Amino acid sequence: DTEVTQTPKHLVMGMTNKKSLKCEQHMGHRAMYWYKQKAKKPPELMFVYSYEKLSINESVPSRFSPECPNSSLLNLHLHALQPEDSALYLCASSQDFGTSSYEQYFGPGTRLTVT
Amino acid sequence: QKEVEQNSGPLSVPEGAIASLNCTYSDRGSQSFFWYRQYSGKSPELIMSIYSNGDKEDGRFTAQLNKASQYVSLLIRDSQPSDSATYLCAVKEYSSASKIIFGSGTRLSIRP
Repeated sequence: DTEVTQTPKHLVMGMTNKKSLKCEQHMGHRAMYWYKQKAKKPPELMFVYSYEKLSINESVPSRFSPECPNSSLLNLHLHALQPEDSALYLCASSQDFGTSSYEQYFGPGTRLTVT
Repeated sequence: QKEVEQNSGPLSVPEGAIASLNCTYSDRGSQSFFWYRQYSGKSPELIMSIYSNGDKEDGRFTAQLNKASQYVSLLIRDSQPSDSATYLCAVKEYSSASKIIFGSGTRLSIRP
């Protein structure tokens, strides 16, 4: 089973709202990722968690705040977003981070619209 | 700047033919190579991974890797309309802190 789940599927929020995106995997993977994808572009890495610790932050604005409560869960807290933050937000997981075997499995994504 | 290059397409292939998708990468230290399929409005789905020079076959899909030429390709045999999607090539170097670099994707269209 290579399933990563994400909630909600769709989210519309105003620029003053606070919301959270959630991601869960039960594959025993120790690395989890947040990506942002705009239309007709490849996924763009935002954050990497390895063994529940933040390993990579790709200079993401502080209005995006990641959290990894345990090895199966990953959250992305959103606050004071801008309309240009509207995109598909993808969660992914892999068995490990930093080894040559690095297959990442993506969740279905959350389609975010900021109004 | 490490780069992964793909022809954006669209690549139009008749049903039943072989679709050939190509990808080049700039970092000679790259060790892991992946192909993802992404349908419009959906998330990327891993369809092939390859780590050694040569061919790797899985059903109708064959991935080919040539590290000397820094080239990786994906062949899809007996193409079906359901294969119409964007195919993303992704590359990772052998480093504990490195990330996957995605190409911009090739849009494949299988015409009946």
